[in-house]
Amino acid sequence: EVQLVESGGGLVQPGGSLRLSCAASGFNFPNYDMNWVRQAPGKGLEWISYLRNDGNSLYYADSVRGRFTITRDNSKNTLYLQMNSLRVEDTAVYYCARSWRAFDVWGQGTMVTVSS
Amino acid sequence: EIVMTQSPATLSVSSGERATLSCRASQTVSMNLAWYQQKPGQAPRLLIFSASTRATGIPARFSGGGSGTEFTLTISSLQSEDFAVYYCQQYYNWPRTFGQGTKVEIK
Repeated sequence: EVQLVESGGGLVQPGGSLRLSCAASGFNFPNYDMNWVRQAPGKGLEWISYLRNDGNSLYYADSVRGRFTITRDNSKNTLYLQMNSLRVEDTAVYYCARSWRAFDVWGQGTMVTVSS
Repeated sequence: EIVMTQSPATLSVSSGERATLSCRASQTVSMNLAWYQQKPGQAPRLLIFSASTRATGIPARFSGGGSGTEFTLTISSLQSEDFAVYYCQQYYNWPRTFGQGTKVEIK
């Protein structure tokens, strides 16, 4: 079964850091580009980051550039999102999503709450 | 940044009726347009890519159309499981952008 499983979410104070993980299974992870997408409570979807399959091309949304870093370990079939200098407005469910034409496979999401 | 605008925000439809959702891009996205369905507490699910191609396992009652800047998602005969929020997304340019969503609710 093709699957993505996110982990690492939780409650963090403003200015703090978290690292999210996305474990892939059921497909050849090194062949696929990957993304992070987030959804604030009661709001729509916001794409925040992309990483090419070989790790040599990446993009960020303006809202997270300079604070978040996307990486991957193809030997572990895992995508990461290092989030630093977190703000209250970063509170959201964070999804990883596989790129194939569009975003064809999504994880179940992990909740990040930034609050004092 | 390409702005995606969906209309209407909410669509009230009875089961068995046809629903038509619209999505407009602020500049051309060619055919690089996808539609997603999201139910409460669940991740989005890809319905349509390349503006009109159904994803694997998506019923034929879902169809997509359009190109350039104007797109539609049509659900030919709404079933109970189709009541959800629908998002369009362009993957023509960076940053990837989503519309704000259309909620399809039971009339």
